[in-house]
Amino acid sequence: ETGVTQSPTHLIKTRGQQVTLRCSSQSGHNTVSWYQQALGQGPQFIFQYYREEENGRGNFPPRFSGLQFPNYSSELNVNALELDDSALYLCASSLEAGELDTQYFGPGTRLTVL
Amino acid sequence: KQEVTQIPAALSVPEGENLVLNCSFTDSAIYNLQWFRQDPGKGLTSLLLIQSSQREQTSGRLNASLDKSSGRSTLYIAASQPGDSATYLCAVNSGYSTLTFGKGTMLLVSP
Repeated sequence: ETGVTQSPTHLIKTRGQQVTLRCSSQSGHNTVSWYQQALGQGPQFIFQYYREEENGRGNFPPRFSGLQFPNYSSELNVNALELDDSALYLCASSLEAGELDTQYFGPGTRLTVL
Repeated sequence: KQEVTQIPAALSVPEGENLVLNCSFTDSAIYNLQWFRQDPGKGLTSLLLIQSSQREQTSGRLNASLDKSSGRSTLYIAASQPGDSATYLCAVNSGYSTLTFGKGTMLLVSP
């Protein structure tokens, strides 16, 4: 059991709406990363937060944004939802942002955009 | 830009067989490589992590090897069981603990 939790488990939205996904990292983990996994694909890196600051970003548009809070929780916000945003969203936490830090993944949130 | 490829995309074997899953990556400047298991619709379970200075790691019936210079890793599963049926993902860490994943190998082990 990794100790990383995500909510909600499943979510259905319509195109153009906004959504907030939540992640609770393991206690003491200062880094959280978010990934998008489309059906039949490997996870794609969205962005990473370290001590409440964005610490790296993948090839995703600005309508994907995030927040990290001092209590080891974080959010992924997606504005103006598109059909292609339908995917499994995974968060992963690690102690620090160093090269040797192991990431621990949560169970994911399945987002469906209609 | 790092790219990770996994072969085969799908594999079906009878119970008891030994099998090998392959992973290749284009940029050998990695810090570590990790193998994950993913059950349908679920999150990722880490199986093995190999640091760049290591050649292999073992856990039970699983053995993963890494040849960083050639950009290759293999995951060996001994005496496969139906419970091993899942998608296996390979991911490389090229810095700042962000991972680049392959598309996975979908494994089906039949009784």
